[in-house]
Amino acid sequence: AQSVTQPDIHITVSEGASLELRCNYSYGATPYLFWYVQSPGQGLQLLLKYFSGDTLVQGIKGFEAEFKRSQSSFNLRKPSVHWSDAAEYFCAVGLTGTASKLTFGTGTRLQVTL
Amino acid sequence: EPEVTQTPSHQVTQMGQEVILRCVPISNHLYFYWYRQILGQKVEFLVSFYNNEISEKSEIFDDQFSVERPDGSNFTLKIRSTKLEDSAMYFCASRNGGAGNQPQHFGDGTRLSIL
Repeated sequence: AQSVTQPDIHITVSEGASLELRCNYSYGATPYLFWYVQSPGQGLQLLLKYFSGDTLVQGIKGFEAEFKRSQSSFNLRKPSVHWSDAAEYFCAVGLTGTASKLTFGTGTRLQVTL
Repeated sequence: EPEVTQTPSHQVTQMGQEVILRCVPISNHLYFYWYRQILGQKVEFLVSFYNNEISEKSEIFDDQFSVERPDGSNFTLKIRSTKLEDSAMYFCASRNGGAGNQPQHFGDGTRLSIL
């Protein structure tokens, strides 16, 4: 069965600093990979997705993520964090079948200090 | 941009009562999902629905749960005889057709509190 690991439960960065959130997955084939963001009391907003092709994918709000097959990783990055980026970030794996349920990691809570 | 909408935003129910959570998926989407997130925990898959039938369900989705698409727009999750441990945020999601590489779009969730 597929699984997703987000090793960092909580990260604090200063506004303007760079950010990298880690995600590792376990799946027998190349999965579909997603990053979602959840602000307090809100739903899950899709930041970006990887299906195939270029391993560096660009998303909304200045985020990007890089798929590294050799490391089974899909880390999320942002060169300069804004205070409004404070939220919970979830990495998710989707299977290649038609139903394609998502399996989520436990999430990383990002705190931004001014 | 089209959105998935969920009602109510917060539902408080006595233990043992039935509850129906409602969702209006994006209009041209074909696959529908329910997930739940217990406070402080990760988002967990409950069930997927396609072509008017369940395509996959998790171990969590036992006989107390059911889903229905009663008309062309709504997608509901019914929980019969609710338990304290059913307290969670429930998210509805939908996606377009084709292969699994179409992303799922989520609603803002319904917070279910069982007393």
